[in-house]
Amino acid sequence: TQLLEQSPQFLSIQEGENLTVYCNSSSVFSSLQWYRQEPGEGPVLLVTVVTGGEVKKLKRLTFQFGDARKDSSLHITAAQPGDTGLYLCAGERSGGSNYKLTFGKGTLLTVNP
Amino acid sequence: NAGVTQTPKFQVLKTGQSMTLQCAQDMNHNSMYWYRQDPGMGLRLIYYSASEGTTDKGEVPNGYNVSRLNKREFSLRLESAAPSQTSVYFCASKVSSGNTIYFGEGSWLTVV
Repeated sequence: TQLLEQSPQFLSIQEGENLTVYCNSSSVFSSLQWYRQEPGEGPVLLVTVVTGGEVKKLKRLTFQFGDARKDSSLHITAAQPGDTGLYLCAGERSGGSNYKLTFGKGTLLTVNP
Repeated sequence: NAGVTQTPKFQVLKTGQSMTLQCAQDMNHNSMYWYRQDPGMGLRLIYYSASEGTTDKGEVPNGYNVSRLNKREFSLRLESAAPSQTSVYFCASKVSSGNTIYFGEGSWLTVV
């Protein structure tokens, strides 16, 4: 059973377009993280959200944590080829160990010039 | 600052062979992790070590053993490799009280 469902699994868009990636669960998380992974490298943390309803912005990337802390979204404005990569969400369970994160399967984004 | 360093980067094994993946971090982190990443499966936790001298099973520990040699090093051993263990393995570490996990660059393992 996949605790965190990401959608879409694949996304191919043109430079300049906007996009949204979703991370959904039936479980409550005390925090949720978004990572980007480029080919041949390990994931790199983009942001951590901890409060229900929280919105964080990182340049053209906007991250939102759902009010009930069960879901999150990543919105990219005016996508660029440099945004290409695998985007992973990871959640820390409420009341669970601080040492373990559960990862979604990822969204593979390709931004074409 | 090297961060998290894994070796080897690539390895091909025959079924039944054994090998050890090495991992070292230079950030003085207490917690260290081993994940595997497979197509369509995301990252799955194999083992983790909350602090020097302790290790615990993660989501997919079968077929693996780990050793937290000291605060810096956390190794993953495959005693008798199987084709199902063909994967990309990532070592990671973090400060115990923090949220940020730092990953190594990965080790590509193929078992034939």
